[in-house]
Amino acid sequence: GQNIDQPTEMTATEGAIVQINCTYQTSGFNGLFWYQQHAGEAPTFLSYNVLDGLEEKGRFSSFLSRSKGYSYLLLKELQMKDSASYLCAVMDSNYQLIWGAGTKLIIKP
Amino acid sequence: TAGITQAPTSQILAAGRSMTLRCTQDMRHNAMYWYRQDLGLGLRLIHYSNTAGTTGKGEVPDGYSVSRANTDDFPLTLASAVPSQTSVYFCASSDSEEETQYFGPGTRLLVL
Repeated sequence: GQNIDQPTEMTATEGAIVQINCTYQTSGFNGLFWYQQHAGEAPTFLSYNVLDGLEEKGRFSSFLSRSKGYSYLLLKELQMKDSASYLCAVMDSNYQLIWGAGTKLIIKP
Repeated sequence: TAGITQAPTSQILAAGRSMTLRCTQDMRHNAMYWYRQDLGLGLRLIHYSNTAGTTGKGEVPDGYSVSRANTDDFPLTLASAVPSQTSVYFCASSDSEEETQYFGPGTRLLVL
């Protein structure tokens, strides 16, 4: 079966750095997506990785290792507004997104 | 630009009743999707459409139907609602099936 694993919840301090991990087992691979979802709102696109390595976009970076079935999202200089759930999703061989349950990130002052 | 709109925002529905959730996008995206999101679970695909006039079944299609008469609209119908269909429903669209998906604001449905 297809499976995406990510931690249920993480806590970090404002101004610090946090890494949210995602491991996956899917039927085929056509890219990995990270989305941010604030409580009661829609998911919004953060990043896309299809090749191994690090993609940097401002305070957010995403890393992919296809051989290990592993990705992480790195958030730097954490702000209170970063408190949200972070969703990892893999596009399988049928171009359908398989979603993790999300990691709820709590930022403390 | 509105992007994707969904209606209604929320609804309470008696079990056994039918309902149509509306989704409209103004980005001229070819592909559209319906997901449900339940606590502790990842988003699950209900139905999708890669282009106007075609639809396909996702992971959890039972009890739901869709149509795609034109590019902009992708309504989701519950023919006879059951309490297990209580969920938050998100519509999404993408330029093609391979591209990034963008989400509407969601419809919160409670079936009693």
